[in-house]
Amino acid sequence: EAQVTQNPRYLITVTGKKLTVTCSQNMNHEYMSWYRQDPGLGLRQIYYSMNVEVTDKGDVPEGYKVSRKEKRNFPLILESPSPNQTSLYFCASSQIIAGSYEQYFGPGTRLTVT
Amino acid sequence: GDSVTQMEGPVTLSEEAFLTINCTYTATGYPSLFWYVQYPGEGLQLLLKATKADDKGSNKGFEATYRKETTSFHLEKGSVQVSDSAVYFCAIMNTGFQKLVFGTGTRLLVSP
Repeated sequence: EAQVTQNPRYLITVTGKKLTVTCSQNMNHEYMSWYRQDPGLGLRQIYYSMNVEVTDKGDVPEGYKVSRKEKRNFPLILESPSPNQTSLYFCASSQIIAGSYEQYFGPGTRLTVT
Repeated sequence: GDSVTQMEGPVTLSEEAFLTINCTYTATGYPSLFWYVQYPGEGLQLLLKATKADDKGSNKGFEATYRKETTSFHLEKGSVQVSDSAVYFCAIMNTGFQKLVFGTGTRLLVSP
């Protein structure tokens, strides 16, 4: 089954404790990205990757890092989480269908930083 | 920069009522337009899309038409069901980019 998976689905942590949220896709997509969803703000892009070893900042990259060592994986790293990073995070990968890109989303990771 | 404006929610309807959720956008170039749906506790699913002016996207009884002259992509359904209760996001993606720009989402609540 074609899918984007994320782990963990739920995470409660404390300020300053490094964490990684994993993302994996089995569709051989080149493009992957991370979004965060906050009430009243919709989804905003954090980072994206056009291909292996190619990453770039989205709209809200502060406090996050990413890496793309393999095509299928795109982990999101919070080296020193803070309470303002409490949010719902989505990983997505995309492909061209009928001339336009379609993004496929993972199930989400709900992060709480205390 | 590009932006999407959706009507504020929640939208509360009775089963079999007609649904409209308004969406307008601002973009340079000629974006593709999307509606995504998020059911409780789940990720986002693509509901429908349109890639050029006057295109109508449709799926599961939902429809939206790409109106370039009014920069709008309003979502409609003739008869909603309780199972349609979810949050609906309008989004655009500009030509040459793979970043979706989302609206803030509209929560739909359908009662029996």
